[in-house]
Amino acid sequence: RKEVEQDPGPFNVPEGATVAFNCTYSNSASQSFFWYRQDCRKEPKLLMSVYSSGNEDGRFTAQLNRASQYISLLIRDSKLSDSATYLCVVTLGFKTIFGAGTRLFVKA
Amino acid sequence: DADVTQTPRNRITKTGKRIMLECSQTKGHDRMYWYRQDPGLGLRLIYYSFDVKDINKGEISDGYSVSRQAQAKFSLSLESAIPNQTALYFCATSESSGGAFYNEQFFGPGTRLTVL
Repeated sequence: RKEVEQDPGPFNVPEGATVAFNCTYSNSASQSFFWYRQDCRKEPKLLMSVYSSGNEDGRFTAQLNRASQYISLLIRDSKLSDSATYLCVVTLGFKTIFGAGTRLFVKA
Repeated sequence: DADVTQTPRNRITKTGKRIMLECSQTKGHDRMYWYRQDPGLGLRLIYYSFDVKDINKGEISDGYSVSRQAQAKFSLSLESAIPNQTALYFCATSESSGGAFYNEQFFGPGTRLTVL
């Protein structure tokens, strides 16, 4: 079983749609959780941190469920510019584990 | 100017050749990392360094070596390249902090390496 698993997609959605990504992690001792965004052929960049209380940044909402060991990312009112791969990231001590990513295509 | 730079950006080499990928940063971060990215596998850590005198193996260090020449420079070498080392390689940096607290990693633009 992979340490961090994501649905690879791709998710194809129209502009304005709401889309949700899930990520599961295998080690219950994992400490910190993040979503990174990676545009095609570009480097990953931090999108947002994920907290148990949930956190929101504009159209993006991230949630952590420690009991079920999953993380979610919700994107509301999708824009063409949201098209990218979204990487789930989990840390365990000094170890940082990246999921393989979920691809999103937003269509006009 | 980019804070984290990598050279070369693209490289094609032959099996058995020695190759070095270089990473430089102007962010003043102590921690530096080398990852490779393969389709469907995500980013995997090759080596990491928490300061100039500290070098640690990651999950896939076999066939690779590194050198931390200065706080700002971290090089990755493939002593004898093989085709399954064809991948996209990223360097990253982060601030240091005590304990296991995670700091955001800042990535370079990547080096696309092809081994024939």
